[in-house]
Amino acid sequence: DAEITQSPRHKITETGRQVTLACHQTWNHNNMFWYRQDLGHGLRLIHYSYGVQDTNKGEVSDGYSVSRSNTEDLPLTLESAASSQTSVYFCASSEYVGDPYEQYFGPGTRLTVT
Amino acid sequence: QKEVEQDPGPLSVPEGAIVSLNCTYSNSAFQYFMWYRQYSRKGPELLMYTYSSGNKEDGRFTAQVDKSSKYISLFIRDSQPSDSATYLCASRGSQGNLIFGKGTKLSVKP
Repeated sequence: DAEITQSPRHKITETGRQVTLACHQTWNHNNMFWYRQDLGHGLRLIHYSYGVQDTNKGEVSDGYSVSRSNTEDLPLTLESAASSQTSVYFCASSEYVGDPYEQYFGPGTRLTVT
Repeated sequence: QKEVEQDPGPLSVPEGAIVSLNCTYSNSAFQYFMWYRQYSRKGPELLMYTYSSGNKEDGRFTAQVDKSSKYISLFIRDSQPSDSATYLCASRGSQGNLIFGKGTKLSVKP
């Protein structure tokens, strides 16, 4: 069955380190998204991509970057981890930019920056 | 002001109760509205979506949109303990992204 996976599921890192979170989907979806979820803020969009070599900034993109070299993967990099980036990160993908519009979410990565 | 507002709760109800979950939105251009359900330590899953105003029913769930008041509702009839989850309302933004409310945590007690 097609799916979307994230790795690692849990990560503890130190302030200032570079961290990369992986996202892999087997649906062959063109659209992929990264969100962070925090108490009091809900899900907020970090970056998104509508296809290979396409990347776009979301609501909370500062300190994060993505690259899309193939359809299946959209890794999220924290250039220099900060304590404010402690959060649960979700990757999602979708088939249509149009309607109906369903995003399929991965299981999440819980990141702690100490 | 966030574009989609949602009371985070938590909301606790007895089994069998009718549950009403609500959101408001500020952007008149929003046309598509979704409800996602998220179980603890899992990713969100699409529950229902509606277009423009009106009702949509799926089993025990009814989604309602009132564009005149910019109000989105989800009703759950005969609630079950398995309905215990966080419910997130969302609308589709102009660039095809989803804009989520903060989510309402629901607990259905046996």
